[in-house]
Amino acid sequence: DAKTTQPPSMDCAEGRAANLPCNHSTISGNEYVYWYRQIHSQGPQYIIHGLKNNETNEMASLIITEDRKSSTLILPHATLRDTAVYYCIVRVENGSSNTGKLIFGQGTTLQVKP
Amino acid sequence: GAGVSQTPSNKVTEKGKYVELRCDPISGHTALYWYRQSLGQGPEFLIYFQGTGAADDSGLPNDRFFAVRPEGSVSTLKIQRTERGDSAVYLCASSSLGQSTDTQYFGPGTRLTVL
Repeated sequence: DAKTTQPPSMDCAEGRAANLPCNHSTISGNEYVYWYRQIHSQGPQYIIHGLKNNETNEMASLIITEDRKSSTLILPHATLRDTAVYYCIVRVENGSSNTGKLIFGQGTTLQVKP
Repeated sequence: GAGVSQTPSNKVTEKGKYVELRCDPISGHTALYWYRQSLGQGPEFLIYFQGTGAADDSGLPNDRFFAVRPEGSVSTLKIQRTERGDSAVYLCASSSLGQSTDTQYFGPGTRLTVL
């Protein structure tokens, strides 16, 4: 079962920041927070990941709360092409029993509107 | 460079038939994953290969499903005696080493429809 909770859908105006929340209250100390997105009829696409510190790359920023029980993905200037399903996933660090598989929930459908 | 490719993009078959779905991972990636995505759901893990061997097949739903990766590159997912409930998009992903923090790169998927 997915270990994250996300709102099923959100709207955002084009050009504005999109802030997508994720709750992961049972996250363990060695688990990373990953974000993927899936544009219609395509495979999932990696966006960003983090452990404790906030992270930023060319696609997005990831803000993780100090207690690590929740996080927010920020798309600073959403465009129509950012319309997609966004998945928040917790993923354990290297371990002998870990295979790196991703456990997806149902994600948040982000609709960017003109 | 080339990403993960999957063939065919669409497959329509009749109940009870056998199907094979192919995945070409990114060159040099040792880890390969298969996922299945039903309509309106997130992808669901099926099987993971590290090199030629299936390191984790815990997601395969039953013994009608089988996957191989004989030379450690291309993988084939095989479904025997297909059922209407097998209809879904089958996704393949690869990563460089298979370590838990490696980025997985996904293919576009094969849409399987069982009539």
